[in-house]
This record gives sequence, C-alpha cells and structure tokens, in this order.
Amino acid sequence: DTGVSQNPRHKITKRGQNVTFRCDPISEHNRLYWYRQTLGQGPEFLTYFQNEAQLEKSRLLSDRFSAERPKGSFSTLEIQRTEQGDSAMYLCASSLDNNEQFFGPGTRLTVL
Amino acid sequence: AQSVTQPDIHITVSEGASLELRCNYSYGATPYLFWYVQSPGQGLQLLLKYFSGDTLVQGIKGFEAEFKRSQSSFNLRKPSVHWSDAAEYFCAVVSNSGYSTLTFGKGTMLLVSP
Repeated sequence: DTGVSQNPRHKITKRGQNVTFRCDPISEHNRLYWYRQTLGQGPEFLTYFQNEAQLEKSRLLSDRFSAERPKGSFSTLEIQRTEQGDSAMYLCASSLDNNEQFFGPGTRLTVL
Repeated sequence: AQSVTQPDIHITVSEGASLELRCNYSYGATPYLFWYVQSPGQGLQLLLKYFSGDTLVQGIKGFEAEFKRSQSSFNLRKPSVHWSDAAEYFCAVVSNSGYSTLTFGKGTMLLVSP
C-alpha cells in the first residue's frame, strides 16, 4: 500500500498522560499536514511541513502540542498532559508541492 | 478569513434519486474549491476540485460540481445515487496563507434509503 499511513489507529489514554502519533506520507511527497477533526465538525488545520521545515502552525496548536518531521519523511505529533478536550480524530495528509492532498485514515484519540 | 458553509447537516435520498449537496464559501480572491468524501473508518478521499476554467467539473464516482461565483457556491451533484454513496461529504477551500492548507465545512451526512 503506497498511501498515507498513520499509527496507531486508536489511542485511549488518561488525562494528563502524553501521547505520540506517527504519520508516514506518500514517499515522494514533500509536504505534510496535520488536521484535527472533532465530532460533527470538518477537519481543522493544525500544522504544515515542507520537507523537514515546519512552516505554519494554527492557533489551535497550543504549547502542549509539538510536531516534528526530522528527516523530511515521517512525522510525529505529540500531545503533552492530555485533556479531555483533546479527544478527536487526528488526520495526516501529504502532497507533492501545491497539488492534491492525500489523507491517511487518522488516529482516533480518546482521553478519559 | 476564508470560511465554508454546508447548510445541510443530514440529507436522506432514495436510491436512484438525484442528489445535490450545497456549499457556500467566503473568500477574498478566486478560490480553489474541493469536495471530499469520508466513509466510516476511512480517510478523506478527493471527489473533485476546481482551480479555474470550466465552471462545471467532473469527478470520480459519477459526481460533478458547479462553481458559481455570483452565488459563492460550489454545489455537488449526482444524477442517480447508489447505496454505497452513503457517507459524509466535506466541501473545502484553500486558505489564503499561501501554503495550501484546507479550510473545511462542517460536512453533510448523506443517508441513502432503499
């Protein structure tokens, strides 16, 4: 399968714990995006990478959130001291330059 | 700031009937517009996109959409709905940040009745 993959697909954690998600984009894609989708809402942009550089961050991305793309390939999104309001689907997408974004299946986070 | 409105949260259509899902956008410049579909447990799949040119665009799975600048609309249509079309549909516009980050509407859930 050469699409965007995300792991884990589901994560249940207790409030206050840290969690980390991984996204593997389509191999030749230089751009990688993170979005968050809550129940009844469309996806909302979180952050964006071009190669290894993080070029844009939404104001939704509080200081408890950090994202990296160390070698310009896979990316990780870490949430520290999780809160119940962090419960959502976290979507990753990749694209080649300014072309179509291809989405992964998402990681569903539940914070108890 | 750009925004997308999908006024219908749910729509129920009989199998074989025609479908129109509404989308209105607010954007200062000429928008790039998209329709995505999301099935349970699946990622978002692009149905079609409008960048410029012909205002009627054809997509996958028999869908089409028409860009109407005067109405700030980009409605999605299909002449005959199949049960497998039941899913959630999202309209999106490219933000004006210059980095192609998508702004999505809240989505319309399509239910198909037999």
